[in-house]
Amino acid sequence: EAQVTQNPRYLITVTGKKLTVTCSQNMNHEYMSWYRQDPGLGLRQIYYSMNVEVTDKGDVPEGYKVSRKEKRNFPLILESPSPNQTSLYFCASSLRESWGEQYFGPGTRLTVT
Amino acid sequence: GDSVTQMEGPVTLSEEACLTINCTYTATGYPSLFWYVQYPGEGLQLLLKATKADDKGSNKGFEATYRKETTSFHLEKGSVQVSDSAVYFCALSDRGGSQGNLIFGKGTKLSVKP
Repeated sequence: EAQVTQNPRYLITVTGKKLTVTCSQNMNHEYMSWYRQDPGLGLRQIYYSMNVEVTDKGDVPEGYKVSRKEKRNFPLILESPSPNQTSLYFCASSLRESWGEQYFGPGTRLTVT
Repeated sequence: GDSVTQMEGPVTLSEEACLTINCTYTATGYPSLFWYVQYPGEGLQLLLKATKADDKGSNKGFEATYRKETTSFHLEKGSVQVSDSAVYFCALSDRGGSQGNLIFGKGTKLSVKP
């Protein structure tokens, strides 16, 4: 089954404790992206990657890191999480030539206390 | 910069009512336009798209027409069902702008009552 998977689905952590949210896709997509969803703000793009070893900042990259060492994986790293990063996070992927047509993962709900 | 503006919700309708969710955009280049839907507890799914002016996207009874003159891409459905209850997001990708940067509106929550 074609899908985007994220782990963990739920995470509660404390301020300053480094964490990684994994994202993997099995569709051989070149493009991958991370978003955060907050009430009243909709979805905002954090980082995206048009291909392996290529990453670019989205609209809200501060406090986040990403890497794209393999085509199928695109982990999101919070090196020193803060309460304002409490949010619902989505990973997405697509073919490079149609990057607006994205397949989304199920989401990771992160709470930072 | 590029942006998308959607009508604010929530929108509450009775089953079989007509639906219109307004979406307007600003873009510097030649955007493609999309509607995504998010059912409760799930990730977003692409509902329909249009890649150039006057294109009409359609899927599952929903339609939207890319109007360059009014910079709009309103979502319409003639008869909604309870199963259409979800949050709907308008989005644009600007081929002439930042490649890879998909911009979403804030979403419109639709509730359909039996």
